[in-house]
Amino acid sequence: QVQLVESGGGVVQPGRSLRLSCAASGFTFSSYDMHWVRQAPGKGLEWVAVISYDGSKKYYADSVKGRFTISRDNSKNTLYLQMNSLRGEDTAVYHCAKNHRTTFNTFDIWGQGTMVTVSS
Amino acid sequence: DIQMTQSPSSLSASIGDRVTLTCRASQSISTYLNWYQQKPGKAPKLLIYAASTLQSGVPSRFSGSGSGTDFTLTISNLQPEDFATYSCQHSYIVPYTFGQGTKLEI
Repeated sequence: QVQLVESGGGVVQPGRSLRLSCAASGFTFSSYDMHWVRQAPGKGLEWVAVISYDGSKKYYADSVKGRFTISRDNSKNTLYLQMNSLRGEDTAVYHCAKNHRTTFNTFDIWGQGTMVTVSS
Repeated sequence: DIQMTQSPSSLSASIGDRVTLTCRASQSISTYLNWYQQKPGKAPKLLIYAASTLQSGVPSRFSGSGSGTDFTLTISNLQPEDFATYSCQHSYIVPYTFGQGTKLEI
């Protein structure tokens, strides 16, 4: 079945880096734009970044621009989020999400998420 | 950035009730509006896209309407599994912001 599984979360000190991965299965990964969406504890959802199906276009939320980099490896069916210069406000569950098959920037399949805690 | 405001922030209802949740955009977004349901500790689930199109597999008691800046999600005949948090999200332009959510409680 269609599935997204995130990994790579953990506890990290402010200013350090972390790379998240999202393994996709059950669909043609290389045909879909992919997103990262996060949710801080007790807060609402926040869109983080999107990458086009072929990796040629990337867009970011202002809160992460210049610090986070979204990428993908279509040969491995895997999405990544490189997070540098981490801050306390980056503490959240990070979900990867697949773009809807007919409607742009709509998230029809979500992973369960991986928790990132930024703390000294 | 386009701001999305949901009301109410929480709502109490009973099994069998009909409820309406509201989402307002800070500028016109045509019908580029999606609704998600989220239960504690779980990933969000897409319910409605393009303001009024029911996602495959979602029960027909869920319906969406609106265009421009004002949107509604209506749930008819509330079932026990419907008690959750509902969030709207626009897909009009980067960044694709979400509302703060409406928590639907028994």
